[in-house]
Amino acid sequence: DAKTTQPNSMESNEEEPVHLPCNHSTISGTDYIHWYRQLPSQGPEYVIHGLTSNVNNRMASLAIAEDRKSSTLILHRATLRDAAVYYCILPPSGTYKYIFGTGTRLKVLA
Amino acid sequence: GAGVSQTPSNKVTEKGKYVELRCDPISGHTALYWYRQSLGQGPEFLIYFQGTGAADDSGLPNDRFFAVRPEGSVSTLKIQRTERGDSAVYLCASSAGLGASPLHFGNGTRLTVT
Repeated sequence: DAKTTQPNSMESNEEEPVHLPCNHSTISGTDYIHWYRQLPSQGPEYVIHGLTSNVNNRMASLAIAEDRKSSTLILHRATLRDAAVYYCILPPSGTYKYIFGTGTRLKVLA
Repeated sequence: GAGVSQTPSNKVTEKGKYVELRCDPISGHTALYWYRQSLGQGPEFLIYFQGTGAADDSGLPNDRFFAVRPEGSVSTLKIQRTERGDSAVYLCASSAGLGASPLHFGNGTRLTVT
């Protein structure tokens, strides 16, 4: 199973972009890259996922390196509501087993 | 529409007692997951179902933990002879179970074993 590495914590100012990195050097060719976030006292919520190409949705963008060994979740304008723990997850292809690590705790400063 | 519902939201029990935690997934979702989360940690995988069968139960910590999903919808996580170390938030999630379908989580059941 591919292992992911994320910084323990990051800080951002409100209204500025945030780039959350994830390293997954052992990724296999068919592993999807998923991002979830967990707000305080809530269950995790889906943010975005991708395979090879960069992806955009209303919440965020996902930039995937050409060799797929790393990816970056981009929040274009951080708000206070984006303060959460962000998890990068690679379920092994052919399974639906999502293993969460410790994630990156994002603090947004007003 | 209705999301994933977990009941109860809080459960306090004495050491040694039996508890059941219930999860109502989103209607039509074939995959269902159980996780537990301790303070300051990420969710820890316990088990997931595809339909009625447990597709992977490798995360269940020991034989005191058991989960069922008899009709492919509602699931119950059962814990026998509870221990103080079982205290955690137990999270349930469901997904359409196709390809990279996202997981939808409930808000969890906070279990406290005294």
